[in-house]
Amino acid sequence: SQKIEQNSEALNIQEGKTATLTCNYTNYSPAYLQWYRQDPGRGPVFLLLIRENEKEKRKERLKVTFDTTLKQSLFHITASQPADSATYLCALETYGQNFVFGPGTRLSVLP
Amino acid sequence: EAGVAQSPRYKIIEKRQSVAFWCNPISGHATLYWYQQILGQGPKLLIQFQNNGVVDDSQLPKDRFSAERLKGVDSTLKIQPAKLEDSAVYLCASSLGMGGEAFFGQGTRLTVV
Repeated sequence: SQKIEQNSEALNIQEGKTATLTCNYTNYSPAYLQWYRQDPGRGPVFLLLIRENEKEKRKERLKVTFDTTLKQSLFHITASQPADSATYLCALETYGQNFVFGPGTRLSVLP
Repeated sequence: EAGVAQSPRYKIIEKRQSVAFWCNPISGHATLYWYQQILGQGPKLLIQFQNNGVVDDSQLPKDRFSAERLKGVDSTLKIQPAKLEDSAVYLCASSLGMGGEAFFGQGTRLTVV
């Protein structure tokens, strides 16, 4: 069956460290993979998109990698800050135009 | 640029009652999504429209949920009759199309008692 998993429900890291979040999927062939941030009581907000033929994308302190052989994406936040504390969601978009989300990882950056 | 508008923001109903949610997407966005998000989980796609046609409604409980997108713009999602397990946040999102970022509204928090 089709499944999207994100490494852990919650991740705690110290301010200034790099946070690494994992997104694994099975039985999908995504054309695109996106990462979103969601704060309590609000809708998800887009962060980064990576295409199936791209290995890595960067935006300021954010970096996404995409390995279609491993069926995995890694999302990195460098020099993390308490303001980065939120839930991070990965989302797959397939050629069938299905747009599905993973369960999310709740990140807490401790001062 | 105006964002995705949803209403109402909150709704409390009794089980077996009906409820409707409204969404106005960003102007020009062809694709519209409705998601259900239960507390502590990721958004679950209920239905996806491309203009006013349905692309995917495989996870929509069609015996009680219905959705339409009028003239390819606004959309309504209805639940009739509601069950306790329908308590969730209902999120509407829109995008230009495949490969485009999805813009979300603030959601409607539904509580069924």
